Amino acid sequence: DAGVIQSPRHEVTEMGQEVTLRCKPISGHDYLFWYRQTMMRGLELLIYFNNNVPIDDSGMPEDRFSAKMPNASFSTLKIQPSEPRDSAVYFCASSFLGSGGTDTQYFGPGTRLTVL
Amino acid sequence: GQNIDQPTEMTATEGAIVQINCTYQTSGFNGLFWYQQHAGEAPTFLSYNVLDGLEEKGRFSSFLSRSKGYSYLLLKELQMKDSASYLCAVRLYNNNDMRFGAGTRLTVKP
Repeated sequence: DAGVIQSPRHEVTEMGQEVTLRCKPISGHDYLFWYRQTMMRGLELLIYFNNNVPIDDSGMPEDRFSAKMPNASFSTLKIQPSEPRDSAVYFCASSFLGSGGTDTQYFGPGTRLTVL
Repeated sequence: GQNIDQPTEMTATEGAIVQINCTYQTSGFNGLFWYQQHAGEAPTFLSYNVLDGLEEKGRFSSFLSRSKGYSYLLLKELQMKDSASYLCAVRLYNNNDMRFGAGTRLTVKP
């Protein structure tokens, strides 16, 4: 398996622009997570999905952030409008919590977002 | 709130043993994970404890005491490639809600 795939790997944008981050989880995994990592705040859980349904979005910082999972193989995290304080590395992770399955989370390579 | 505490930085010598501690106070507990993260890379899974005791996996071992809210990661026969950040994470409930500590940056010196 190719592992969790994220795109783009790097994104530089200007304040006020819309940013869309993309994630393809590992095939067969039923959980998908979006994290944000900064030096100041470490790794923070933003939102996670189970079987394409959002379960907990309490970590989403504000209404400018939204996430969707239209099918089992694709998810997006959108920031609109973006602000300089959104600059961070955004990780997507997936796991399988089915019967007999390991629930270890596997992380994608991350998207490094810089908002100028 | 959820509190997961780890030392910020540690230094050790190649070939030695190092122990990285993690204490937690969380609203729920359903397992503790250790992840390794090299600079500029994604976290990768190292170990998982849900019951008290020691889990050994090669050069790495992880210990858990649920009554004390305490875990440690033990790295033996340190190698230069072990220089990385080590993240302690607690799964709160059965629904896979994970909270991470800030991480411990380990530097291995020759």
